[in-house]
Amino acid sequence: AQRVTQPEKLLSVFKGAPVELKCNYSYSGSPELFWYVQYSRQRLQLLLRHISRESIKGFTADLNKGETSFHLKKPFAQEEDSAMYYCALNAGNMLTFGGGTRLMVKP
Amino acid sequence: DAMVIQNPRYQVTQFGKPVTLSCSQTLNHNVMYWYQQKSSQAPKLLFHYYDKDFNNEADTPDNFQSRRPNTSFCFLDIRSPGLGDAAMYLCATSRGENNQPQHFGDGTRLSIL
Repeated sequence: AQRVTQPEKLLSVFKGAPVELKCNYSYSGSPELFWYVQYSRQRLQLLLRHISRESIKGFTADLNKGETSFHLKKPFAQEEDSAMYYCALNAGNMLTFGGGTRLMVKP
Repeated sequence: DAMVIQNPRYQVTQFGKPVTLSCSQTLNHNVMYWYQQKSSQAPKLLFHYYDKDFNNEADTPDNFQSRRPNTSFCFLDIRSPGLGDAAMYLCATSRGENNQPQHFGDGTRLSIL
């Protein structure tokens, strides 16, 4: 069975500091990994997916199969990045979510 | 231009009184999902439909049922809500193909009196 682990429930950084939200997974097949973000009082929305290898809102994430990780990174955090972030693994059309990390960016 | 629409946004019901939450989509996606999300927790999948095929998660209580009368609509029925069923309920859709993301609605927050 697949599993997604986000070790940090809360990550607090100052504006302009680099940020890394950790995600580790376990899955026997070829993983499809996503990061979802939930801003205060808004819907859960897709931030990025590993297959796209793109940067969204300054965030990037690289799939490391050797370390079974998909960490989310941003070099300079902004206050508007404050939100709940979920790493998710897609297998058989079903998402398994990590427990989520709340990112707080302080001014 | 919301593509996954959930009604109502807030629902209050009494302990034991049946309640139905609704979800509609304009994306014409094959798969529709229902999740339960409790405070400070990740969404938990209850069940999903792939077209008309219903797939129940093993640990979803029998109290929870779902209907999908057509491609666009999917309903979550809670037959006898208990206090522990108070949560945010999220509907999502996807195309059902590899590497396709799920699209979520705003959710319905259910309160039990």
